[in-house]
Amino acid sequence: DIQLTQSPSVLSASVGDRVIIACRASQGISTYLAWYQQKPGKAPQVLIYTAATLQSGVPSRFSGSGSGTEFTLTISSLQPEDVATYYCQQFKSYPITFGQGTRLEIK
Amino acid sequence: QVQLVQSGAEVKKPGASVKISCQTSGYTFSRNAIQWVRQAPGQSLEWMGWVNAGNGGTKYSQKFQDRLTITRDTSASTAYMELTSLTSEDTAVYYCARDVIWFDPWGQGTLVTVSS
Repeated sequence: DIQLTQSPSVLSASVGDRVIIACRASQGISTYLAWYQQKPGKAPQVLIYTAATLQSGVPSRFSGSGSGTEFTLTISSLQPEDVATYYCQQFKSYPITFGQGTRLEIK
Repeated sequence: QVQLVQSGAEVKKPGASVKISCQTSGYTFSRNAIQWVRQAPGQSLEWMGWVNAGNGGTKYSQKFQDRLTITRDTSASTAYMELTSLTSEDTAVYYCARDVIWFDPWGQGTLVTVSS
């Protein structure tokens, strides 16, 4: 199985900060990676797919990059509504796996 | 718009089974697989399996292979997930999601509580 390791597990930042969340895969997955945002009590929603493609309707302050084993999700200017837990997911091979999540808080 | 609406919360005793429905709308049901994912309290997301909505073919996580059945009813544009031999470890929110290679959108989730 492909393991995904996110860092950090918890991130506290101020409004307006640039925020970077990392996701490392245990083996190469090309760009078969998606990022999801999950707000408390809600279902996940896709932000980024194929590592760098912004889902329609997602604010442009979100961006993704990477390929192979190293990936990042960047929020260029943190907004209060971005408080959530973020998950990476690989869809290179089954079983599909998710990272352990990064909880993003506002300072 | 594409919507997936799941059945309501369930409380089950250990050893029982649960069957959750996922009714879809806003797209041609048979064109996409339906995935099932669960999330235990305070935990990450765990993939369980999928059903090919067109031909009914399935693929399951090895972890659930022996007690998971995913089916679909094309006439109702609905997928179902049944999990048997429940234990307290199965207490979780269960999600369905449309497979577009990644998962989009997701259902609202169904809380299953297993307690004696």
